[in-house]
Amino acid sequence: AQKITQTQPGMFVQEKEAVTLDCTYDTSDQSYGLFWYKQPSSGEMIFLIYQGSYDEQNATEGRYSLNFQKARKSANLVISASQLGDSAMYFCAMREVRNFNKFYFGSGTKLNVKP
Amino acid sequence: DAGITQSPRHKVTETGTPVTLRCHQTENHRYMYWYRQDPGHGLRLIHYSYGVKDTDKGEVSDGYSVSRSKTEDFLLTLESATSSQTSVYFCAIRSGNTEAFFGQGTRLTVV
Repeated sequence: AQKITQTQPGMFVQEKEAVTLDCTYDTSDQSYGLFWYKQPSSGEMIFLIYQGSYDEQNATEGRYSLNFQKARKSANLVISASQLGDSAMYFCAMREVRNFNKFYFGSGTKLNVKP
Repeated sequence: DAGITQSPRHKVTETGTPVTLRCHQTENHRYMYWYRQDPGHGLRLIHYSYGVKDTDKGEVSDGYSVSRSKTEDFLLTLESATSSQTSVYFCAIRSGNTEAFFGQGTRLTVV
């Protein structure tokens, strides 16, 4: 079974609007971390935001927030006020603490921001 | 910047030859990982290390081996390169509980 599922291969959003990128995960570990990364066309992986499984508040980092719904095992990324520079691939990832801290990644969502 | 350097950044090699990719870190992190990135698959874990000489297999380890004789270096070896191993390879380190950082990637082409 896939550990991380991102069901949106590609998405479009109008500049200045908000967009939600979906991510669901599968783990039996009680202690885990959820991450989002951005990969622009230049290829580097840029860390965006982290949510721990025991964190009760949703994580926020500037225009990025993580909508964490533990019972549904979802960790959606919300980008507010989209900018042209947000156009990139976005990857959701999970780290299982009791599994040697291995990271598992989804297949990614390509976001295109339209002017 | 977590001080991760991958080398080489680009390589073209012939089928059947051995290839070694290097990941070097400067901040003494315990956990290091090798991933490959292919279209439609995201990043898939090849091998990981949780300390010097402590390594284990990931999801797609066939045809790859690793070594970690020093904290700062994690080497990935393709024992006999095949065209299916053409990919972009990323090294990553875990920095504390809340962050993980990646190297710049190595684009490997096997012809």
